[in-house]
Amino acid sequence: SQKIEQNSEALNIQEGKTATLTCNYTNYSPAYLQWYRQDPGRGPVFLLLIRENEKEKRKERLKVTFDTTLKQSLFHITASQPADSATYLCALAGADGLTFGKGTHLIIQP
Amino acid sequence: KAGVTQTPRYLIKTRGQQVTLSCSPISGHRSVSWYQQTPGQGLQFLFEYFSETQRNKGNFPGRFSGRQFSNSRSEMNVSTLELGDSALYLCASTGAFGNTEAFFGQGTRLTVV
Repeated sequence: SQKIEQNSEALNIQEGKTATLTCNYTNYSPAYLQWYRQDPGRGPVFLLLIRENEKEKRKERLKVTFDTTLKQSLFHITASQPADSATYLCALAGADGLTFGKGTHLIIQP
Repeated sequence: KAGVTQTPRYLIKTRGQQVTLSCSPISGHRSVSWYQQTPGQGLQFLFEYFSETQRNKGNFPGRFSGRQFSNSRSEMNVSTLELGDSALYLCASTGAFGNTEAFFGQGTRLTVV
């Protein structure tokens, strides 16, 4: 069965460091992979989309990589700030639309 | 342009009752998807509507249903509520099926007592 795995444990990072979040998937051949940010009690907000033929995508302090051989995406936040603290969700685009991982809770400590 | 609007924001219902949630997508978006989010299960896909037709359905019982109107506004209905239906219900609209970013509403927090 199709499965998306994100580290379910909270990730604690010191302010100013790079935070790296992982998204692994099985039994998928996604055309796209997306990352979203979600704050408590609010809907997810789109951050980045990367296509299967793209290895890397950047937007300001954010960088996403997509390795279809490893079936893995890495999401990096450089020069992290306390305001980056949130839950980050990866989502795969397949025949049934978007399927989301359970998310990783990121805490940036000042 | 205005974002995705969900109403109501909060709802408390009793077991056995039914509930209807509403979602107005971004103007021009024809695809609306519904998700249930709980701490244990994360975001789970309920169904997706495009041009008033249900295109996909997740693995939820028949108590969960939805519809879409000609103006792309969508409603979802849950009948015979159970305690386990307590969750944040999110809708998302996209400009084209599956291949673009999804714009989410703030969600409706449903509590079943």
